[in-house]
Amino acid sequence: QKEVEQNSGPLSVPEGAIASLNCTYSDRGSQSFFWYRQYSGKSPELIMFIYSNGDKEDGRFTAQLNKASQYVSLLIRDSQPSDSATYLCAVTGTASKLTFGTGTRLQVTL
Amino acid sequence: GAVVSQHPSWVICKSGTSVKIECRSLDFQATTMFWYRQFPKQSLMLMATSNEGSKATYEQGVEKDKFLINHASLTLSTLTVTSAHPEDSSFYICSARLAGVPYEQYFGPGTRLTVT
Repeated sequence: QKEVEQNSGPLSVPEGAIASLNCTYSDRGSQSFFWYRQYSGKSPELIMFIYSNGDKEDGRFTAQLNKASQYVSLLIRDSQPSDSATYLCAVTGTASKLTFGTGTRLQVTL
Repeated sequence: GAVVSQHPSWVICKSGTSVKIECRSLDFQATTMFWYRQFPKQSLMLMATSNEGSKATYEQGVEKDKFLINHASLTLSTLTVTSAHPEDSSFYICSARLAGVPYEQYFGPGTRLTVT
């Protein structure tokens, strides 16, 4: 079982719609959860992090964490073509090392 | 703030030669830096954790004698790929962690290595 799992996609949503990206993790001791966006040929850039159960909103982005279900998600409202990228879920445990999922490719269509 | 640079951004070398990649935290002190490798259409895989003034900790399966890491100061870590082979061709990315902020990492722009 992979430590951090994501659907590889592509997830295709029309411009202006809500994109929902999901991630599950296997280590119950995981403490911090991150969403990174990676454009082709570029390094990841941090979008959001969440430590506690519930929702965390930042602009058009909302991260949701459910530790009991070992599930973290990212919602992108009013999706724009510039949001088209690969979204990486990452998790840290007690060792503070980031473990990445394989990423979900998002395509926002006009 | 929290800017990390890498040099070079891309490099082509011949098989059997060595290549050094630099990672610098430009506006903060990084007690810990991380080195990742990413093959096409795959996710980032942690290679090693580098702590200033001490030996790097390598992940399982990563050859420490092939991938030499030096973290000589709080703002600079280097990765040297020794005796490079075509299978070492990859995207190498470093990240740096702010002292006192244990869970946030800031990534450099990456170095594309091609070994011919």
